[in-house]
Formats: sequence, C-alpha cells, structure tokens
Amino acid sequence: AQSVTQLGSHVSVSEGALVLLRCNYSSSVPPYLFWYVQYPNQGLQLLLKYTSAATLVKGINGFEAEFKKSETSFHLTKPSAHMSDAAEYFCAVSLTGANNLFFGTGTRLTVIP
Amino acid sequence: GAVVSQHPSRVICKSGTSVKIECRSLDFQATTMFWYRQFPKQSLMLMATSNEGSKATYEQGVEKDKFLINHASLTLSTLTVTSAHPEDSSFYICSARVQGTDSPLHFGNGTRLTVT
Repeated sequence: AQSVTQLGSHVSVSEGALVLLRCNYSSSVPPYLFWYVQYPNQGLQLLLKYTSAATLVKGINGFEAEFKKSETSFHLTKPSAHMSDAAEYFCAVSLTGANNLFFGTGTRLTVIP
Repeated sequence: GAVVSQHPSRVICKSGTSVKIECRSLDFQATTMFWYRQFPKQSLMLMATSNEGSKATYEQGVEKDKFLINHASLTLSTLTVTSAHPEDSSFYICSARVQGTDSPLHFGNGTRLTVT
C-alpha cells in the first residue's frame, strides 16, 4: 500500500520568505511522487513530479522538491514566496506512473504581505 | 496544452433528484478518466476510473448504483449522482491523460454540488 502524509495543514510565510511544505511517503516499491496546487474552486495543477530520473526536481513557478529515500520525504520548497503562491498544495503518490493517485490531506499556504 | 473541461462548475439541486456532471477532454483523446470527490478541507479521494466503452471501476466504498459513470466516447465521461442527498454535497473533480502517453494527469476545474 502507498500513502503520503503532509505535515502541517496550514503554513504561513511572509512575502519573500522561504516556502517549505512537508511530505512524507510510504510505499513498498519505488514510488512516483507529485506536488499539485489547487486555487479556490478550481481543479489541480501539476507543479512537479518525481519519476526516479533525478532526486531534485524543478517545477513550475519556481518550486522544487527533493526526493530523499533515507527520509522517505519529498518536501516542496520555493526560495521566495509571492502573494500569488497562496493556495492549497497536495502531495500525491502513485505506484503506476500517475494513473491512480493517492493524495495527502493538503497544506494551505498563506502568504503575508 | 491539454485541457479538461467540467460542466457545470456549480449546481444546486433538491434532495432526491439526479445531477449529471460532464468531463470533456477538449484537445486530446482519453480512454481513461478519473473521478475524485473532495469534501471541505479534505483531500481528493478517488471515486472511480472511467473506461471508454466499458464499465467503470469503482473504489471500495463508492456506491456504483448511486454514482453512475458513462464514458461513451474518447473525449467525454459523465458522472450522474442519482437520488442525491445533502451528504453528497461535495466538490467533484475529473482528470484525464492523453491517450497512449505517460503525460501527467490533467484535471478539470471541478464541480461544486450542493444538495438542499
């Protein structure tokens, strides 16, 4: 079975500050890992995905995530937060390359001016 | 880029009625589409996998007779919530992938269903 745990349902950062959203995974085999962003009343937009090609994955909007097998983590970071980054972020895992995604409970990011 | 369109974006219905939600892949074909449900402040839960030309595959705990899924073409899947009740009020999101590729899933903008 596979699952992801997102630590912190709500994270607040100041504009310009580092963004760090945590995600730990559980999987019996090497997983595919994803980060999605959801704006209010919208669907999900893929930020980035890990498919074992490289442990440091760069995504859209300046986000990146590092796969750490020893820590079973896939934390999302961005060096400098923008107001437009305020949204809900979901970490997801799949064993099959993204057909069947299992999502974490989400982290709401608030950016303080 | 690939676009998935859902319609309607919002719907309010009375308890006991049925509601149909459409999911269309606008510029690509998708033999498989996925339906998710998201309750307030919770994550997305996969409800079912919609397969073009065959029966949908439902996740454990999802009532197939209540959530009817039809995938009649390579660009359209529909989810019908039958005999809706207030507890069915939720945000329903569909997703699809470009047929024959390993591209990421593309998500629709979701449908907010409110049952009164």
